[in-house]
Amino acid sequence: RKEVEQDPGPFNVPEGATVAFNCTYSNSASQSFFWYRQDCRKEPKLLMSVYSSGNEDGRFTAQLNRASQYISLLIRDSKLSDSATYLCVVNPTSGGSYIPTFGRGTSLIVHP
Amino acid sequence: NAGVMQNPRHLVRRRGQEARLRCSPMKGHSHVYWYRQLPEEGLKFMVYLQKENIIDESGMPKERFSAEFPKEGPSILRIQQVVRGDSAAYFCASSLQEASNQPQHFGDGTRLSIL
Repeated sequence: RKEVEQDPGPFNVPEGATVAFNCTYSNSASQSFFWYRQDCRKEPKLLMSVYSSGNEDGRFTAQLNRASQYISLLIRDSKLSDSATYLCVVNPTSGGSYIPTFGRGTSLIVHP
Repeated sequence: NAGVMQNPRHLVRRRGQEARLRCSPMKGHSHVYWYRQLPEEGLKFMVYLQKENIIDESGMPKERFSAEFPKEGPSILRIQQVVRGDSAAYFCASSLQEASNQPQHFGDGTRLSIL
């Protein structure tokens, strides 16, 4: 099983739709989690951290389910500009090798 | 702009030449990571460095590739005797401290093309 798995998509949705991505991780001791956004041929950019209690930033909501070992990203009222690849990142626990693990990304295409 | 700075943005080399990629981390960051990304592929970890130390190079090929992060100056990823398969985007990221609860911040990347 891969350490971090994401559905590659693409998710093809109309403007205004609500879309959700999941990301599963295998290391139950993982400590912190993030969502990044990567546009075509650009660098990944931090979208938001994921907190145990769940957190919201405008149209974006991130949640963590430690029992089932997944994190999710919900995008409400999708915009054309949301079209990108969304990467989930899992950071290891302290005391080991501090190498964040990136998922391969989920592609989102928002169309008019 | 106090972000992660990478240069050059684009680098073209012929097979057999050397490629040097530079990365200056965000101000105050002392942890640097190098990643490689092929088209339509995910980010692949290469090496993790702190000032003057290589912490983890498990993702870096043993031959032809080396990395350093000197006390003064940028981190350098060096590829000797480049081959066509080295063509990729190379991203550098930095973080404030050990990545246990800190996000990484990425530079714009260097697109390496091998002729």
